[in-house]
Amino acid sequence: GQQVQQSPASLVLQEGENAELQCNFSTSLNSMQWFYQRPEGSLVSLFYNPSGTKQSGRLTSTTVIKERRSSLHISSSQITDSGTYLCAMAVYGGSGNKLIFGTGTLLSVKP
Amino acid sequence: EAAVTQSPRSKVAVTGGKVTLSCHQTNNHDYMYWYRQDTGHGLRLIHYSYVADSTEKGDIPDGYKASRPSQENFSLILELASLSQTAVYFCASSVGTANTEVFFGKGTRLTVV
Repeated sequence: GQQVQQSPASLVLQEGENAELQCNFSTSLNSMQWFYQRPEGSLVSLFYNPSGTKQSGRLTSTTVIKERRSSLHISSSQITDSGTYLCAMAVYGGSGNKLIFGTGTLLSVKP
Repeated sequence: EAAVTQSPRSKVAVTGGKVTLSCHQTNNHDYMYWYRQDTGHGLRLIHYSYVADSTEKGDIPDGYKASRPSQENFSLILELASLSQTAVYFCASSVGTANTEVFFGKGTRLTVV
């Protein structure tokens, strides 16, 4: 079946360090999204990125659709970046834009 | 700004009781979705709907019903809540074309005791 592999599963950084999170998709996809999940559980959409590179502040998302992969780069990490980062691939079909999620990267940024 | 609002944000239910989770969107989107997230896992699709008065099964529909009385509202119903349905539930919406963003609500934390 369709799967999304995220790596690493967890990551501990010192404040100020950079991080690179990876997503690999088992099948072809139409687009993908990156989400940040706050410790209390709510979801924040970071990027909708069907292809190419997008940047928002210290975050950069790069998606290569034909290689079925996407990455999220966090520069100069801050304590407030701590939480879980989820990627999801969108498969368009009868169920609309169904998202298939990875299991997430748990990021902890220490002072 | 596009918005998906879920209520309640948290709920404690008793085993065997009925639970209704509500979702309201102001995006004018045709598609609405209910996802479930278990601790330490990604989200999985329970039910979805592409038009009012019609719902479809997703990947894990067992134990859940859904209702779409209008384009804006989509409910998830647990007729007989069970311990295994303790999870965080997310509602989402999108337009009906490919390569478009999916918008999520903040989630509902359901604890069945």
